[in-house]
Amino acid sequence: QLQLQESGPGLVKPSETLSLTCNVSGASITRSNFYWGWIRQAPGKGLEWIASIHYGTKTFYNPSLKSRVSMSIDTSKNHFSLDLDSVTAADTADYYCAREDSETSDNAFDVWGPGTMVTVSS
Amino acid sequence: QSALTQPPSASGSPGQSVTISCSGTSSDIGGYDYVCWYQRHPGKAPKLMIYDVTKRPSGVPDRFSGSKSGNTASLTISGLQAEDEADYYCSSYAYRNSYPNAIIVFGGGTKVTVL
Repeated sequence: QLQLQESGPGLVKPSETLSLTCNVSGASITRSNFYWGWIRQAPGKGLEWIASIHYGTKTFYNPSLKSRVSMSIDTSKNHFSLDLDSVTAADTADYYCAREDSETSDNAFDVWGPGTMVTVSS
Repeated sequence: QSALTQPPSASGSPGQSVTISCSGTSSDIGGYDYVCWYQRHPGKAPKLMIYDVTKRPSGVPDRFSGSKSGNTASLTISGLQAEDEADYYCSSYAYRNSYPNAIIVFGGGTKVTVL
């Protein structure tokens, strides 16, 4: 059974880079039908898609965050990562990693990690 | 401000039906059959309830149904139960004329209260 688990610092200083990792267990991160994504929810706000990555092909970005976001896959550790540069208080949110399975549907996140809370503060 | 528009709240008594709307444009909901609905209980991760407008993942009760008309999608919960009280979010694939072209957009969420 596929499981995802986010990890990263709970507190980041303004202007620094937020780095999060999502550990994937129960399946290979290189499966051709899997896409891996990050979604966040700021306090009192709705869900916001950040980016998605497919091993060996491409990465898709939210245009409002694209200039500050990068994603990568580490096949040796079976995990994928998110870097968000130049953070501000507006980046304070619960961050979730999730999977899309193109054999089921494109753009549907059917497996989610439990989430990790990130606060941006000095 | 979210790309898709949902009412902030909806409510119904146990056993009743409640319908939540999600309004977008011809570049997202209206142009593609890639609408999803997620349920989120407080402190929990979102759960996929509907994908491809009308399809239910395995394990989701058939009380949950989705539909779409033009640029608006809807989620209907029939036979409302206490455990259905949660926040519900819609999402859609969207295509933009400028890079990045293919994106995913969410609604702002609707809090469903079981009276």
